[in-house]
Amino acid sequence: NAGVTQTPKFQVLKTGQSMTLQCAQDMNHEYMSWYRQDPGMGLRLIHYSVGAGITDQGEVPNGYNVSRSTTEDFPLRLLSAAPSQTSVYFCASSYSSTGRTGELFFGEGSRLTVL
Amino acid sequence: AQKITQTQPGMFVQEKEAVTLDCTYDTSDPSYGLFWYKQPSSGEMIFLIYQGSYDQQNATEGRYSLNFQKARKSANLVISASQLGDSAMYFCAMREPYNTDKLIFGTGTRLQVFP
Repeated sequence: NAGVTQTPKFQVLKTGQSMTLQCAQDMNHEYMSWYRQDPGMGLRLIHYSVGAGITDQGEVPNGYNVSRSTTEDFPLRLLSAAPSQTSVYFCASSYSSTGRTGELFFGEGSRLTVL
Repeated sequence: AQKITQTQPGMFVQEKEAVTLDCTYDTSDPSYGLFWYKQPSSGEMIFLIYQGSYDQQNATEGRYSLNFQKARKSANLVISASQLGDSAMYFCAMREPYNTDKLIFGTGTRLQVFP
């Protein structure tokens, strides 16, 4: 019963490096999203997707790219990491808006440090 | 724009007592959903309870209940008979209306339960 799986759980980068946070869900959810969590600021939406081939920006999209080639996967790419991107990242998925309550199922989080 | 406000950065409660965590929201749309999530020190996000704007009764899930006051735009979480394991961060969130499960989060309240 995997649910939402994020990798890696921890990562340290140097400024300017690139990396991809992987997210996969096995619940056949249409909706997937990425949040970042910073102290005192709650969770803020970075990007989201309502289905394969469709993505859109959230509240804090700058510095991040996403794609959704399959229903299961929704990777988050940092093209040139900056210290301001040091954060904990959560991937989440849910049924479509026509589903039950729109409850989000979260991955365990990925802690990223940019030096 | 929609907004969630949690004004209590931290709360203390004695074991077996009840505690109320405050949440107010701002939206001009009549259709919305309100959520509470728990984040223990291990970091995962755990869904607790949901209230729809058209629901006639306050939501309850075991020891959790949501005190929904629509006119005041408040959605306070009530935890009855607190347990040591309830010590965690608690986030209130709102689903944007007519959107695909995008959640807007408050900044959270840290609850500490003492013996």
